[in-house]
Amino acid sequence: DSGVTQTPKHLITATGQRVTLRCSPRSGDLSVYWYQQSLDQGLQFLIQYYNGEERAKGNILERFSAQQFPDLHSELNLSSLELGDSALYFCASSVGPGQGKNIQYFGAGTRLSVL
Amino acid sequence: AQTVTQSQPEMSVQEAETVTLSCTYDTSESDYYLFWYKQPPSRQMILVIRQEAYKQQNATENRFSVNFQKAAKSFSLKISDSQLGDAAMYFCAYGGGGADGLTFGKGTHLIIQP
Repeated sequence: DSGVTQTPKHLITATGQRVTLRCSPRSGDLSVYWYQQSLDQGLQFLIQYYNGEERAKGNILERFSAQQFPDLHSELNLSSLELGDSALYFCASSVGPGQGKNIQYFGAGTRLSVL
Repeated sequence: AQTVTQSQPEMSVQEAETVTLSCTYDTSESDYYLFWYKQPPSRQMILVIRQEAYKQQNATENRFSVNFQKAAKSFSLKISDSQLGDAAMYFCAYGGGGADGLTFGKGTHLIIQP
C-alpha cells in the first residue's frame, strides 16, 4: 500500500458528462501529481500541485482541471467527456516540489470508461 | 522535451534466470533522475529503483540493479533470480531537475516462464 488513496476505483459515464476524481496524498506529502494512462498515449503527466498551488502543467486538455485543497487532497475534474478520455487516471504524491529529487508514490488509479 | 524509449515491448525469461530490460532517454539537462516502475496486473505503479544522474555508482535494490551509462543516455534494469512475482509491465521514467512530471517510456511486458 503506497499510502495514496484514490476514489472511486471505477467510473462509468456517458459522453458529454462531467466527473470528479479524488486523491488523498500520503501523510506529510505536499505535492500531488495527476497522470493519464491510455493504450494510445501511454502514461502522460497532466498536472502538479504543491501545497495548494499549481506548479506544473503537462498534456492536460482545457476540458480538464484540477485543484488541491487546504487539507492537501486533490480533485481532477473532467468535463464534456469524449470516448477518447477513457483511461486509467493515476494520482501520485511526493514530499517536495521536485519530481526527480522526491520520489513519487502512486495510488491504485481510477478506471474511467466513457460510453 | 525529454523522451524515454523502451525498445522491447515484451520479454520472456525462465524462472530463476536473469533478464535485462533496456531504456534510452534523451535530455539536455545535466541534473536529473531515472526510475524503473513496475505495474503488475493489479495496475498499481510500484517504484523498483531510482538512479541519480550525478552518481556514477549504479543503484542496486536486492535482486534489481541498473546499468547507467550517462554518456550513452542508457539506463537498463537487470533482474536476477527472476521470480513469478516479477511478472509485470516495467516502465522506465525520467525526472528532470525542474517541476515537471515524470516522462515515461511505453513499457516492457515481462513474462516469467515457470
